[in-house]
Amino acid sequence: DAGVIQSPRHEVTEMGQEVTLRCKPISGHDYLFWYRQTMMRGLELLIYFNNNVPIDDSGMPEDRFSAKMPNASFSTLKIQPSEPRDSAVYFCASSLLGIAGGPSSYNEQFFGPGTRLTVL
Amino acid sequence: LAKTTQPISMDSYEGQEVNITCSHNNIATNDYITWYQQFPSQGPRFIIQGYKTKVTNEVASLFIPADRKSSTLSLPRVSLSDTAVYYCLVGVGFSGGYNKLIFGAGTRLAVHP
Repeated sequence: DAGVIQSPRHEVTEMGQEVTLRCKPISGHDYLFWYRQTMMRGLELLIYFNNNVPIDDSGMPEDRFSAKMPNASFSTLKIQPSEPRDSAVYFCASSLLGIAGGPSSYNEQFFGPGTRLTVL
Repeated sequence: LAKTTQPISMDSYEGQEVNITCSHNNIATNDYITWYQQFPSQGPRFIIQGYKTKVTNEVASLFIPADRKSSTLSLPRVSLSDTAVYYCLVGVGFSGGYNKLIFGAGTRLAVHP
């Protein structure tokens, strides 16, 4: 397997523009996570899906952010409109089903290479 | 929301043992403690995990006291290539019925010649 694939690797856009980040998880994995990483806030979990269904989106910063997972092999994170404070590295990760039926640190998360987003 | 706490940075020299501690007071009773390593321009990658006592693999050891409110990652005889950021990850109880996964802020380890 090629691992988790993210595109684009780098994105530079202007404030107010729509940004779409893409992720292909590892085949067979049950969970897909979207993270944002900044120097100030570290790694923040934005949202995660279980079998394509969003389970916990409490980390999504505001309504400008939305995420979808139309099938088991594809997910998108959209920011509309984008703002300079959205500049960060966005990671997608996938894992197998956790213990006790929910996500668990027990199951290794495989991270993609990240998308570095710069909003001017 | 419960947090995990780890030192912001550490310095060491080649060949020394490095211990990084993470505090996680509200860890869920059914969840594990996992540590990840991250190099610049890469995503974090799994190093080791455990539930209690001590776990050892080919790259690290993990020490977990009986109350599980903290854990210590031990890297034996570090080399320059161990320079990276190290994160602990735990699940904490969440009102939604599932554990909420929380990453620590990361410890930036610099290994010097």
